[in-house]
Amino acid sequence: EDKVVQSPLSLVVHEGDTVTLNCSYEVTNFRSLLWYKQEKKAPTFLFMLTSSGIEKKSGRLSSILDKKELFSILNITATQTGDSAVYLCAVETSGTYKYIFGTGTRLKVLA
Amino acid sequence: DADVTQTPRNRITKTGKRIMLECSQTKGHDRMYWYRQDPGLGLRLIYYSFDVKDINKGEISDGYSVSRQAQAKFSLSLESAIPNQTALYFCATSTRAGANVLTFGAGSRLTVL
Repeated sequence: EDKVVQSPLSLVVHEGDTVTLNCSYEVTNFRSLLWYKQEKKAPTFLFMLTSSGIEKKSGRLSSILDKKELFSILNITATQTGDSAVYLCAVETSGTYKYIFGTGTRLKVLA
Repeated sequence: DADVTQTPRNRITKTGKRIMLECSQTKGHDRMYWYRQDPGLGLRLIYYSFDVKDINKGEISDGYSVSRQAQAKFSLSLESAIPNQTALYFCATSTRAGANVLTFGAGSRLTVL
């Protein structure tokens, strides 16, 4: 059975801290891994990763994929209260083209 | 206007009632999905469709049905709603061309009493 596991489930940090969110997966026919940020509404896209070892970066957020060890990390540096959200990891499978989501990591950043 | 529009945004209904959630998109995407989100369980796939003649069950399709009326429209029905179908429902789209980023609608919050 395909599955995506995120850790930790929740995290509380102070502004300025750096956080690392983890996503591991076991799927047949991996195609891509996606990270989303969800505040009190629809998930919004952050990154898509398809190749191992190539870091994707957007401002204070960055992500990398390891296809050998079947995991990805999302880093957020110099956290701000606006980073408080649930971060979702999803894996797209080729062939069936389904997106399988993890349960998410709830991040709270305190001022 | 939003690329992916869901209606209604909020609905309260009673056990046994038939409910339809509608989704329309202007992105021209061929693939459409219905997900359900519950606290602590993440997003779970109910049904997905790759064109009007291609409908597939997801991991939690029992108690739900769908209709792909056109490339741009994908509806989710609960034939006889029950309280454990209380959840936040998301429609999403993607395309087979290029980067397959899943794009979400704003969500439909359904409460079954």
